[in-house]
Amino acid sequence: DARVTQTPRHKVTEMGQEVTMRCQPILGHNTVFWYRQTMMQGLELLAYFRNRAPLDDSGMPKDRFSAEMPDATLATLKIQPSEPRDSAVYFCASGLVAGHSSYEQYFGPGTRLTVT
Amino acid sequence: KQEVTQIPAALSVPEGENLVLNCSFTDSAIYNLQWFRQDPGKGLTSLLLIQSSQREQTSGRLNASLDKSSGRSTLYIAASQPGDSATYLCAVNTGFQKLVFGTGTRLLVSP
Repeated sequence: DARVTQTPRHKVTEMGQEVTMRCQPILGHNTVFWYRQTMMQGLELLAYFRNRAPLDDSGMPKDRFSAEMPDATLATLKIQPSEPRDSAVYFCASGLVAGHSSYEQYFGPGTRLTVT
Repeated sequence: KQEVTQIPAALSVPEGENLVLNCSFTDSAIYNLQWFRQDPGKGLTSLLLIQSSQREQTSGRLNASLDKSSGRSTLYIAASQPGDSATYLCAVNTGFQKLVFGTGTRLLVSP
């Protein structure tokens, strides 16, 4: 049963600390997405990758957020320094794009981040 | 800028009822539309995906329709059950699999 995995599931940290979230996409998927969910804003796309190359990170605060895919099995989202307003649930999702066709996105369970 | 709206924001029904959730989007230039379910404190589970060339998709008790020209989709749930209680989200694919999500409908099915 293929699924997207995320670690850690929960993270509590103090303002100013670095936070790294990790995601393992479904094997064979060529697109990876990072989303953030808050009560106020709902689900927002932060960044996404195709074949490990960043395609769009316009949804991400560039001064403190960075996203990378060191290899096909690992995507990371880093916040440095973290701020209380970064408190949210961060979801990773993966999907497959083949030619002109795109298919379902599959979401991980999320990382619940609390910055105090 | 694509905007996605879901009505109603919350819905409470007794078990066994058939119900319809609505999703509307402002820009009809979409590649596909996906319906998700989210349980409290959990991730999103994909329910149905409708390609822009399709009119509807069915999976078990769920049926989703798409009218791209009018910017609308509906999710029909037949014979609702308490286990259907969750938040339902629709999302439109605006290109390159970029999803724009609606605000969600919180469904409660009481026994």
